[in-house]
Parts: sequence; C-alpha cells; structure tokens
Amino acid sequence: DAGVTQSPTHLIKTRGQQVTLRCSPISGHKSVSWYQQVLGQGPQFIFQYYEKEERGRGNFPDRFSARQFPNYSSELNVNALLLGDSALYLCASSLAGGGYGYTFGSGTRLTVV
Amino acid sequence: GESVGLHLPTLSVQEGDNSIINCAYSNSASDYFIWYKQESGKGPQFIIDIRSNMDKRQGQRVTVLLNKTVKHLSLQIAATQPGDSAVYFCAALSGGYNKLIFGAGTRLAVHP
Repeated sequence: DAGVTQSPTHLIKTRGQQVTLRCSPISGHKSVSWYQQVLGQGPQFIFQYYEKEERGRGNFPDRFSARQFPNYSSELNVNALLLGDSALYLCASSLAGGGYGYTFGSGTRLTVV
Repeated sequence: GESVGLHLPTLSVQEGDNSIINCAYSNSASDYFIWYKQESGKGPQFIIDIRSNMDKRQGQRVTVLLNKTVKHLSLQIAATQPGDSAVYFCAALSGGYNKLIFGAGTRLAVHP
C-alpha cells in the first residue's frame, strides 16, 4: 500500500512568485492536514480538511490557501512568496478528522530565493 | 498560547544504553500525546501515543510516561541502537482535536 505521497519533493521559487504543493493521502483516508516545518523546529499546523471541507486553520496569513478534491487529494497554495516561507511542507492523512492516526508524507522542500 | 517544549535539544548516548527524552506541555486540557521520530529527509514517523487517562504505555523497546500533575511526558528507548539516531518530537492534540502542537525536537545521537 502506498503511503502519503507529496509532489514535488524539492522546489526553488523566487520571492513574489506563487507555488502549489500536492498531496495524495493513503487510500481510504478522508482527512488531509498541512504542516510547515522550518529548519530546526517542529512542524506547525497550517490547515486541516475533511470530506472536502476546511476543519481547521492555523495562524498563517491569507497568502496560504488549500483545498481538497473529491478523490481526497489536496493542494496547498502559497502566494506572494517570502524568504521566510522556505521550509519543509508536510502533508498528513488520517481516516477521519482530528489528529488521531496521522500518517505523514516525506514533505516538499521549498526554497525561496 | 499553547506550547509543547523539550528540555534538551540534543542527546548523545552509547549504543546499548537506555535513552530518555523529556517534554513539557502547557495546556492542561490536552488529552492525547504522541511521540514522533523524524529521520533526515523524511516526514515524522509515529512511535507511540498515550491518552491522559493513562500514566504509562509500552511498545517495542519504547515506553511513554505521562505526569499530568506537572504536565510532563517522557519517551524511554531501551537498548538504543544506531538506527534510533534521529530527531524526536512530542506533540499534543489541541484546538478541538483538529491540530497537533509540536515541540522543537530533540536530536538523539547514538555512538558505537
């Protein structure tokens, strides 16, 4: 069984650009959450989606947005990139909403130059 | 705001010794805690969890202890192996169970 898959694995963008990160959950999982992990720190919650509805949002600016598709995959969009957006972006899936039974993907490493 | 913190950023142990990684949390309403292991280039990997109605839970070579009085939890790894070298995070479920609050992590280095 495939785990949580994220694409791309690495990405380099210029300040001011926009980026879209993608996540495919484990088959049967209906919830997807996004976390940002800055180097040397623990992951920080950005969004949670369950059954295509936003169920939680962390303390991130409106430049960050996400959506979940009918097949439960998800996209995270970040507009007007700043140098401080450089981080590892992690996607986690679970059967239902909430933080139980999370499985994390390996993440997308975003570098903003 | 809510916070989860670890006491030591790095821990060095000899292969075969037992390791203890500590964590403190601020929100007394948190009732579910998880320990994750993160290796370089990978996402966090679930190790063990514990609910607040328990004081101790054991897995394979790992034990988690929860002290709700002082809002502290620890991860004990028995007979530490080189493959245990990684960054370890504790996390608390929060925000109506929609999000995990992570600590900053402890890097465990296992020396032969």
